[in-house]
Amino acid sequence: NAGVTQTPKFQVLKTGQSMTLQCAQDMNHEYMSWYRQDPGMGLRLIHYSVGAGITDQGEVPNGYNVSRSTTEDFPLRLLSAAPSQTSVYFCASRPGSSYEQYFGPGTRLTVT
Amino acid sequence: AQKITQTQPGMFVQEKEAVTLDCTYDTSDPSYGLFWYKQPSSGEMIFLIYQGSYDQQNATEGRYSLNFQKARKSANLVISASQLGDSAMYFCAMSGTAGKLIFGQGTTLQVKP
Repeated sequence: NAGVTQTPKFQVLKTGQSMTLQCAQDMNHEYMSWYRQDPGMGLRLIHYSVGAGITDQGEVPNGYNVSRSTTEDFPLRLLSAAPSQTSVYFCASRPGSSYEQYFGPGTRLTVT
Repeated sequence: AQKITQTQPGMFVQEKEAVTLDCTYDTSDPSYGLFWYKQPSSGEMIFLIYQGSYDQQNATEGRYSLNFQKARKSANLVISASQLGDSAMYFCAMSGTAGKLIFGQGTTLQVKP
């Protein structure tokens, strides 16, 4: 199993640009989440999904959209990038039968 | 609302000694989970240990143990026999509904040779 994969690893955007951060998992996990980590801080939940076709907002959802058309994929869309969205983004998944979350390696995003 | 508090921004420990990283939490949910994650300088999130709110015994995983005191709402991580490779950021987290995790701000641990 590849586990949780994220692409790209690094990205630089200009203010106002849009882009999609990709996340995929091959473990057939029901739950998937996106977090952001700002310098010196813990992770904060952006959006999460409890299954294909079902998504909901987390703690800091503004400026981001998600969709979950398949169990495997959970892309995060930045609609109009702002410098405040400069952060490291982590995708995570977990099976419904367990509490343990499996994290991807992260995407480091810089918005200039 | 759920909240996790880690009051130690940074800690030092001598190699081979034990160290305790503090974590307190607040929740009104009767069922929850408590986690510790390690984040080395390379940036990945490494799962260390988990404690369920109904578990009677403290969780242990190798050199890691979780000192769970439910009445005090604390979930401290104890690392025994510290190694240089333990130098990292450590995060305490709590899960609620739908597996959402709430993280503390983290504690940076440095192990001295």
